Amino acid sequence: DTGVSQDPRHKITKRGQNVTFRCDPISEHNRLYWYRQTLGQGPEFLTYFQNEAQLEKSRLLSDRFSAERPKGSFSTLEIQRTEQGDSAMYLCASSQKSSGETDTQYFGPGTRLTVL
Amino acid sequence: AQSVSQHNHHVILSEAASLELGCNYSYGGTVNLFWYVQYPGQHLQLLLKYFSGDPLVKGIKGFEAEFIKSKFSFNLRKPSVQWSDTAEYFCAVTSWGGFQKLVFGTGTRLLVSP
Repeated sequence: DTGVSQDPRHKITKRGQNVTFRCDPISEHNRLYWYRQTLGQGPEFLTYFQNEAQLEKSRLLSDRFSAERPKGSFSTLEIQRTEQGDSAMYLCASSQKSSGETDTQYFGPGTRLTVL
Repeated sequence: AQSVSQHNHHVILSEAASLELGCNYSYGGTVNLFWYVQYPGQHLQLLLKYFSGDPLVKGIKGFEAEFIKSKFSFNLRKPSVQWSDTAEYFCAVTSWGGFQKLVFGTGTRLLVSP
């Protein structure tokens, strides 16, 4: 399967702990996005990378959140000092920027975070 | 700021019934429009997209959507649904060109009874 993969698929943690999620995009996709989805809502944008550069961050991304894409391939999303309100599905998507065209984002299966 | 409204949160249909899911967006510029589907236990998958040209776009599994610019709408249709169409459907919009975050609606849960 050459789609977007995410690890872990599920994470249960206690409030105050740090967690890190990983996303492996489709090979050679240069754009990578993180979204968050809570119950009854559509995904909401968190942050965006083009290659290794983080070019956009949502106001939803508090100082406790940090994302990296060190070599322009996989990406990690870390949440420090988790709070119960962080419980959500964290989705990763990737796309390939084509000159003059709008890119299409392909989503991974998500990491479901539960903060107790 | 862009926003997307999906008016139907839950839809229940019998097999072979026709389907139309509403989607309206708010944005003054040129947009690109998408419908994604999430089948039970699976990840978001692209159903169809509109970038430019013919406002009637056809997607996978017999779905189609019509972009009506004057109404800021991009409704999803299928003439005859199947039980396997049971899923959650999300409409999304992104501005043309440049940085392209998707702005999603809240989704419509479709249940098709056999």
